[in-house]
Amino acid sequence: NAGVTQTPKFQVLKTGQSMTLQCAQDMNHEYMSWYRQDPGMGLRLIHYSVGAGITDQGEVPNGYNVSRSTTEDFPLRLLSAAPSQTSVYFCASSMDSLEAFFGQGTRLTVV
Amino acid sequence: AQSVTQPDIHITVSEGASLELRCNYSYGATPYLFWYVQSPGQGLQLLLKYFSGDTLVQGIKGFEAEFKRSQSSFNLRKPSVHWSDAAEYFCAFPARDSGYALNFGKGTSLLVTP
Repeated sequence: NAGVTQTPKFQVLKTGQSMTLQCAQDMNHEYMSWYRQDPGMGLRLIHYSVGAGITDQGEVPNGYNVSRSTTEDFPLRLLSAAPSQTSVYFCASSMDSLEAFFGQGTRLTVV
Repeated sequence: AQSVTQPDIHITVSEGASLELRCNYSYGATPYLFWYVQSPGQGLQLLLKYFSGDTLVQGIKGFEAEFKRSQSSFNLRKPSVHWSDAAEYFCAFPARDSGYALNFGKGTSLLVTP
């Protein structure tokens, strides 16, 4: 059972570069979300999706774009990376409010 | 506003001692509540969850939590802590207006001493 798969696990970017963090789930979940985790801040919601073609902003969306063309995939795009985006990123999926399943995270460093 | 507060940033307990991690919530109704654990460098693992009914819920690894509506609390407990329990603990609930995305507290870091 793959569950929620995030790639890559680690990434170093230079300021201004762009990249896409991949998230895929094989549980046919409608709801997917992206979080960033910073020391002392817990996990903060970046963007979320309630189904294919439907996305919305969370608490800290600036600098990030998302799309949801299929139920399975929910990529997170950094258009022009900044040092403030150095963080650990988690993707999650759920069928409803009863339980969320998390990926293993992507550790991103922007230099 | 809907929010979760974990008042303790760091807690240190001796191995074998009891543990209680605090969680308070602000919500318009009774929320679903979760506790997650994150070991160093790892992802998040669900410890337990409360939906309704019995206010004392049992989880994995010997943890339990008690929902107290009158205190808006959902504290996590363990009678005897093991060194492997050292981790970050997060309380959370799914936000109604964010596609069930979780609203997390800032976390409590648990250190276990010999």
